[in-house]
Amino acid sequence: DADVTQTPRNRITKTGKRIMLECSQTKGHDRMYWYRQDPGLGLQLIYYSFDVKDINKGEISDGYSVSRQAQAKFSLSLESAIPNQTALYFCATSDSKSEGRGTQYFGPGTRLTVL
Amino acid sequence: AQSVTQLGSHVSVSEGALVLLRCNYSSSVPPYLFWYVQYPNQGLQLLLKYTSAATLVKGINGFEAEFKKSETSFHLTKPSAHMSDAAEYFCAVSGGSNYKLTFGKGTLLTVNP
Repeated sequence: DADVTQTPRNRITKTGKRIMLECSQTKGHDRMYWYRQDPGLGLQLIYYSFDVKDINKGEISDGYSVSRQAQAKFSLSLESAIPNQTALYFCATSDSKSEGRGTQYFGPGTRLTVL
Repeated sequence: AQSVTQLGSHVSVSEGALVLLRCNYSSSVPPYLFWYVQYPNQGLQLLLKYTSAATLVKGINGFEAEFKKSETSFHLTKPSAHMSDAAEYFCAVSGGSNYKLTFGKGTLLTVNP
């Protein structure tokens, strides 16, 4: 079974709709991240969480919000989706106590299309 | 502050040829450096990482990278390309107490038969 799972894997929605993307992990890591990937732009950090009570904005947080429901769960919400939020979204985790601190492990991604 | 520059958004090689993907970084603190690979329609998979131990790092699938502090580089190489190496490759840097990753824009590797 995958260590980092994302649901849904694909989603098509309309402008103005509220969307939630979910991420779960079984790695026991304390840190979780949300990125978006656009062709030619690499990955951009949206939000990150170092533990359940520590949530921080990334480079491109406008239009997004997050919730860390438990150490293993981190969800991303688009309160009112717009077409330029069409992208591939990745969740990642890392362990602050491991020797390879900073090493992030990625989920399979969610492809979101906003019409 | 930290940043990553990947030289060449698209690299094309013949099967059996040397693969060289270039990465230069900027970091105000000693960096940790990573290469990730993304196969079509998949997430990112860790290929290898440098975390201040040996400067020549060996990864999966025959890839390796050398950390050169004087050149602020961490280029990825493989002696002989295989068709299955066709993918997008991302270099990333992490530094400071928060260990956040900053990614390059990626290099798409095409392997021709």
